[in-house]
Amino acid sequence: EAQVTQNPRYLITVTGKKLTVTCSQNMNHEYMSWYRQDPGLGLRQIYYSMNVEVTDKGDVPEGYKVSRKEKRNFPLILESPSPNQTSLYFCASSLSANNEQFFGPGTRLTVL
Amino acid sequence: QKEVEQNSGPLSVPEGAIASLNCTYSDRGSQSFFWYRQYSGKSPELIMFIYSNGDKEDGRFTAQLNKASQYVSLLIRDSQPSDSATYLCAPGSSNTGKLIFGQGTTLQVKP
Repeated sequence: EAQVTQNPRYLITVTGKKLTVTCSQNMNHEYMSWYRQDPGLGLRQIYYSMNVEVTDKGDVPEGYKVSRKEKRNFPLILESPSPNQTSLYFCASSLSANNEQFFGPGTRLTVL
Repeated sequence: QKEVEQNSGPLSVPEGAIASLNCTYSDRGSQSFFWYRQYSGKSPELIMFIYSNGDKEDGRFTAQLNKASQYVSLLIRDSQPSDSATYLCAPGSSNTGKLIFGQGTTLQVKP
């Protein structure tokens, strides 16, 4: 089944404790991206990757890191999480930035 | 001015009516346009895409695009309670790879 998977689905952590949210797709997509969604602010792009080893900042990259060492994986790293990073996070993949985005199920992160 | 603008709603329509959702965008280079539906707490899913000026119909859904006016809309005919969701407008990226989504319009279809 073609899909985008994210783990964990739910995470409660404390300020400053490094964490990684994994994202994997099995559709051989070139383009992958991370979004956060907050009430009243919609879906905002954090980082995107147009291909392996190519990543770039979206609208809200501060406090996040990403890497794209393999085509299928695009992990999101929070080196020192803060409470303002409490949010619902979505990973997505597509053939390109001009094609349909396929979204993962979401990761609900709470930083205390 | 926001890069992608939608009325956040809520837009309330009775069952069986036509729901009209609108979106304006600022990037004249965008060539593709997508409408996603998102149920509360779930991930967005594609319902329509359009590349050319004019109308595109798929079942109860019609997308309309006017590039000169930088305007794209979604019509939902014979609205059903199951259509109650948030609808996100998303132009494709013109050349940078960066994607901007509209804030979404919340649609409520009342039985």
